[in-house]
Amino acid sequence: QSVLTQPPSASGTPGQSVSISCSGSRSNIGGNYVLWYQHLPGTAPKLLIYRNNQRPSGVPDRFSGSKSGTSASLAISGLRSEDEADYYCATWDDSLRGFWVFGGGTKLTVL
Amino acid sequence: QVQLVQSGAEVKKPGASVKVSCKTSGYTFTDYFIHWVRQAPAQGLEWMGWINSNSGGTIYAQKFQGRVTMTRDTSITTAYMDLSRLRSDDTAVYYCARGDYDILAGYPVPDYWGQGTLVTVSS
Repeated sequence: QSVLTQPPSASGTPGQSVSISCSGSRSNIGGNYVLWYQHLPGTAPKLLIYRNNQRPSGVPDRFSGSKSGTSASLAISGLRSEDEADYYCATWDDSLRGFWVFGGGTKLTVL
Repeated sequence: QVQLVQSGAEVKKPGASVKVSCKTSGYTFTDYFIHWVRQAPAQGLEWMGWINSNSGGTIYAQKFQGRVTMTRDTSITTAYMDLSRLRSDDTAVYYCARGDYDILAGYPVPDYWGQGTLVTVSS
């Protein structure tokens, strides 16, 4: 099991908005920044969001992130077919000596 | 542009070792860290550790302590991950990722990733 909990799947039709949740604990999401990645199988994961809600240059503003307490969310507006991919949340965990933890991933299907 | 290109797929027998390389370009190699992350079949991502590309200092996840060694060759801007005493549950796609040190966070954040290297452990 992954340290961070994500729903295994999500779906929407083109143009719709979807939200993907990521649940953790005080030692990880509760005290650290959250990142989100988009991953198409067989390719390199792509950073979408860092520091909870910041977008690297080149990432469309259709993608937005938020965090509250020990949970975080990724919202995608104006869904496009090319958004169909796996999405992972990640953060640092302060327990033990510290380590990176990831969610189990959410498969987004654009219907 | 930033690129991380990993070595090709490997098939190993249980008990053997594997060494995966990660050739980088498009940035100053010694200004960043390199993370190693793996993904077993139908599983999530699992962080293995990082190497400071400048100093060579390493931090390994507790699970891999004693079995993993991360090194780098600054002359060819390449990082390596060596995993020993392989078991069948080490079968996974192994990724390298550039680590950009976040001053506010206090640790390097994985930003650009390689394409992954499939390591299959089978007798």
